Amino acid sequence: NAGVTQTPKFRILKIGQSMTLQCAQDMNHNYMYWYRQDPGMGLKLIYYSVGAGITDKGEVPNGYNVSRSTTEDFPLRLELAAPSQTSVYFCASSLNTAAIEAFFGQGTRLTVV
Amino acid sequence: AQTVTQSQPEMSVQEAETVTLSCTYDTSESNYYLFWYKQPPSRQMILVIRQEAYKQQNATENRFSVNFQKAAKSFSLKISDSQLGDTAMYFCAFMKIQGAQKLVFGQGTRLTINP
Repeated sequence: NAGVTQTPKFRILKIGQSMTLQCAQDMNHNYMYWYRQDPGMGLKLIYYSVGAGITDKGEVPNGYNVSRSTTEDFPLRLELAAPSQTSVYFCASSLNTAAIEAFFGQGTRLTVV
Repeated sequence: AQTVTQSQPEMSVQEAETVTLSCTYDTSESNYYLFWYKQPPSRQMILVIRQEAYKQQNATENRFSVNFQKAAKSFSLKISDSQLGDTAMYFCAFMKIQGAQKLVFGQGTRLTINP
């Protein structure tokens, strides 16, 4: 049982480039989330999804897009990368509102230069 | 909007000592959950303990316990008999009961356990 898997683990982007951070979970969880963690700070919610085909903005959605075509996958797209997007990105999932524990991936460290 | 504040950026104690990490939060909700997460150098987010706001009894998980003061909106974490493996960043987090399970995190406390 792999849990929540994020790829890649590390990436360096040039300003203006685009990329997709992949997130997959094999626990049949309905809810999935993307957070970013800036140095010395807590995690902030970027986008979340309550099920396939449904996504919504979190606290810091600007510069990002998401899609949820399947229950398992929740990719995060960065268009026109900027230095302010240098951060560690975490994907998480949870079963439903009755199961309050969220399971986190290992994170993706992204540097934009 | 909910906010979570951790006022201790860093703490350091000797192995086997007891340490308390502070957390305060602001919300107008009456029912919610509070969590402490541990983030070791591996970056993995590990749930340490959780507290349901409607429960008066403080949660306990082995060496970890909380002091939940709902009226004061305070949620501290006590680690007893601290171990070297407890060295990590610790994040306090809040979650409303209704709707999607969006966690609101504090800034974190870096805890170092010295041998």
